[in-house]
Amino acid sequence: TQLLEQSPQFLSIQEGENLTVYCNSSSVFSSLQWYRQEPGEGPVLLVTVVTGGEVKKLKRLTFQFGDARKDSSLHITAAQPGDTGLYLCAGGRDSGTYKYIFGTGTRLKVLA
Amino acid sequence: EAQVTQNPRYLITVTGKKLTVTCSQNMNHEYMSWYRQDPGLGLRQIYYSMNVEVTDKGDVPEGYKVSRKEKRNFPLILESPSPNQTSLYFCASSLVGTSGLYEQYFGPGTRLTVT
Repeated sequence: TQLLEQSPQFLSIQEGENLTVYCNSSSVFSSLQWYRQEPGEGPVLLVTVVTGGEVKKLKRLTFQFGDARKDSSLHITAAQPGDTGLYLCAGGRDSGTYKYIFGTGTRLKVLA
Repeated sequence: EAQVTQNPRYLITVTGKKLTVTCSQNMNHEYMSWYRQDPGLGLRQIYYSMNVEVTDKGDVPEGYKVSRKEKRNFPLILESPSPNQTSLYFCASSLVGTSGLYEQYFGPGTRLTVT
């Protein structure tokens, strides 16, 4: 069974600090997505990475897909309270199918 | 407004009483999926559909049924709910984005409690 492990599980930081969240697996994924979920809502897609070693930036968020396509990281620069939420990674299992596996999530709290 | 809607948002029921959670999307997406979210386990895929009348099992299909008779709707059916199906359920629909990959849009969730 493919598993996606995220670390850390919980993170509480002060506004302005930097942080990195990791998503690791022993399996290769065809693609890797990152979502943010706020209380009472469904996850919202932030980014999709496809190519090993790919780096994508979304304002203060930087996403990287590992060279072997087994892991990914999300780095936030100068975190703000609006970044608070549950961050989920999701791996696409097979190209051409709609099968996804989600990580267990990292709950981030940014204090003003 | 483009959205995925689920009903009901909250449901408390008893063991064995059949229930249906509806999911509808207005974005003309071909792909739809159901997930359950449990503490410490993340989101787990129950069933998915890649087109009308085409459905397939995800990781945790036991105890659930789905149907896809029309493009916009993808109901989740629990024929005989049990307490271990108490969970937060999400429906998602997807288009194929510019990267050739699925971009999932999630509904607001249905919190189900089975006593």
